Amino acid sequence: TQLLEQSPQFLSIQEGENLTVYCNSSSVFSSLQWYRQEPGEGPVLLVTVVTGGEVKKLKRLTFQFGDARKDSSLHITAAQPGDTGLYLCVAGNNRKLIWGLGTSLAVNP
Amino acid sequence: DAGVIQSPRHEVTEMGQEVTLRCKPISGHDYLFWYRQTMMRGLELLIYFNNNVPIDDSGMPEDRFSAKMPNASFSTLKIQPSEPRDSAVYFCASSRLRGRSTGELFFGEGSRLTVL
Repeated sequence: TQLLEQSPQFLSIQEGENLTVYCNSSSVFSSLQWYRQEPGEGPVLLVTVVTGGEVKKLKRLTFQFGDARKDSSLHITAAQPGDTGLYLCVAGNNRKLIWGLGTSLAVNP
Repeated sequence: DAGVIQSPRHEVTEMGQEVTLRCKPISGHDYLFWYRQTMMRGLELLIYFNNNVPIDDSGMPEDRFSAKMPNASFSTLKIQPSEPRDSAVYFCASSRLRGRSTGELFFGEGSRLTVL
């Protein structure tokens, strides 16, 4: 069974702090995506990574796909209250998607 | 442009009642997914359609659940009879997958179901 483990499960920080959340698996994936879900809303895609070692930046967010395509990290610099939400990673193989349980982030003003 | 539209946003019903959730995907998207989200199990894929045809329904919990997609602009997820353990947020998502990579899923706002 393919699993995606996300850590930490919960994170509460102050505005301005930096943080990193992780998405790990023992399986190799052809692609990996990060979504953010705000309360009462559906998940929204942040980024897709497909190449081992790939790094993508989206303003204050930096995403990295592991060299072996088994894991990924999301780093947020100078977190803001608007970053609050559930961060979900999802990995794909042959159009089957495996979802992690997510990291619930709260950024306090 | 309108996104994925789901209805109802909230549904409270009693055990044994029939529940029908509705979804209108984004025009031009040929894949439609139904997901269920709970705190304990996260997002679970129930079923997905390609060009209105059900492709994989292995995630449907049991015979009480059924889904249809009569045309490209409408899908329903029905639970009959409903049970308290069906309480969850049900999401519909659509996408236009390209090639072998994973396409972007566009989610609706979800239908929060509470079965008493």
